[in-house]
Amino acid sequence: NAGVTQTPKFRILKIGQSMTLQCTQDMNHNYMYWYRQDPGMGLKLIYYSVGAGITDKGEVPNGYNVSRSTTEDFPLRLELAAPSQTSVYFCASSPDRINYGYTFGSGTRLTVV
Amino acid sequence: EDQVTQSPEALRLQEGESSSLNCSYTVSGLRGLFWYRQDPGKGPEFLFTLYSAGEEKEKERLKATLTKKESFLHITAPKPEDSATYLCAVQAFRLGGGGSNYKLTFGKGTLLTVNP
Repeated sequence: NAGVTQTPKFRILKIGQSMTLQCTQDMNHNYMYWYRQDPGMGLKLIYYSVGAGITDKGEVPNGYNVSRSTTEDFPLRLELAAPSQTSVYFCASSPDRINYGYTFGSGTRLTVV
Repeated sequence: EDQVTQSPEALRLQEGESSSLNCSYTVSGLRGLFWYRQDPGKGPEFLFTLYSAGEEKEKERLKATLTKKESFLHITAPKPEDSATYLCAVQAFRLGGGGSNYKLTFGKGTLLTVNP
């Protein structure tokens, strides 16, 4: 049982480049989320999705885009990377029940230089 | 706006020295308060969900409690393997419902180090 799988684990981008962070879950969860974690700042919600074809903005969506074509996949797209996007990115999923916590992936550490 | 404040930022204990971590929160209507453990280089791992004041949950050396304004994570006789960052998060009732009701607002965490 893989849970939530994120790729790549590490990436260095140059300013202005673009990339897609991949996230796949095998638990048939409808709800999926992207968070970023900066030192001393806690986890901040970027985007979330309540099911295939439905996405919505979180607290810090600027500079990012998402899509959700299947239940399993929720990729995060960075366009025109900036140093402010240097962070650790976590994907998570949850079932349609409040009393279940999120299952997180192991994260992608992104550095923009 | 939902707010979650965790204290202390860092805590260093000797093995066997019990203590508590604090999570104070401000939310319009609490659906649930969550505790997570995060090891270096890994994603957060779910520990507990608490729903109403007075509720308690236990797992091995950890016990979480909830009041109307704060939650405590009590660690009894900790071991070095309990060293990690502990995160607190709240889930609130939101107007409009739907997916926004599932969002979590996280605190900055408490870094716990347990020395042998």
